[in-house]
Amino acid sequence: QVQLVESGGDLVKPGGSLRLSCAASAFTFGDYYMSWIRQAPGKGLEWISYISNRGRTMDYADSVKGRFTISRDNARNSLYLQMDSLRADDTAVYYCAREAPGGGTIFDYWGQGTLVTVSS
Amino acid sequence: YELTQPLSLSVALGQTATITCGGSNVGIKNVHWYQQKPGQAPILVIYRSTNRPSGIPERFSGSNSGNTATLTISRAQAEDEADYYCQVWDSGTVVVFGGGTKVTVL
Repeated sequence: QVQLVESGGDLVKPGGSLRLSCAASAFTFGDYYMSWIRQAPGKGLEWISYISNRGRTMDYADSVKGRFTISRDNARNSLYLQMDSLRADDTAVYYCAREAPGGGTIFDYWGQGTLVTVSS
Repeated sequence: YELTQPLSLSVALGQTATITCGGSNVGIKNVHWYQQKPGQAPILVIYRSTNRPSGIPERFSGSNSGNTATLTISRAQAEDEADYYCQVWDSGTVVVFGGGTKVTVL
């Protein structure tokens, strides 16, 4: 069955960097758009970035634009999120999610999430 | 673009829960709904306003008109106790989630 497994979450100091990974399996990764979505402790869901199936198109939420970079390696079935200039309000569980085909930005599968804590 | 959901609602076991998602002309958009239980990732329960993914019980249904989309849980079960989020795509802000509604089954 479709699986998405995030990794790379850690405790990092403000101003630091972190790279998250999402390993995909049981589907043709290169056919799907992918997104990162985060959830601060006790808060709601916040979409932060998407990347097209071939990696040619991407976009970011204003809250992370210029600090985060999404990328993918279809040969490795992997999605990445490079996070720079981290701030305390970036503390959250980060989920990768697959977008269902056919448009409409429907997130049909989610990983279990990885926790990023930004604190001195 | 913003989506507004009630913070919480309670429903008696076996009764009907109605969760609203308000937004400007949301009726012309495709609204998707996710269920999230504590410590778990969200799962899709309704897509394109009215469609149920395979494996989602028939007691979950959706509608969308005017400025309000609705997720209805008929004959609510204890396992339906969770947070529920609506979501749309908007050309200006790309992906927008509602603030979430905590549903308690009494």
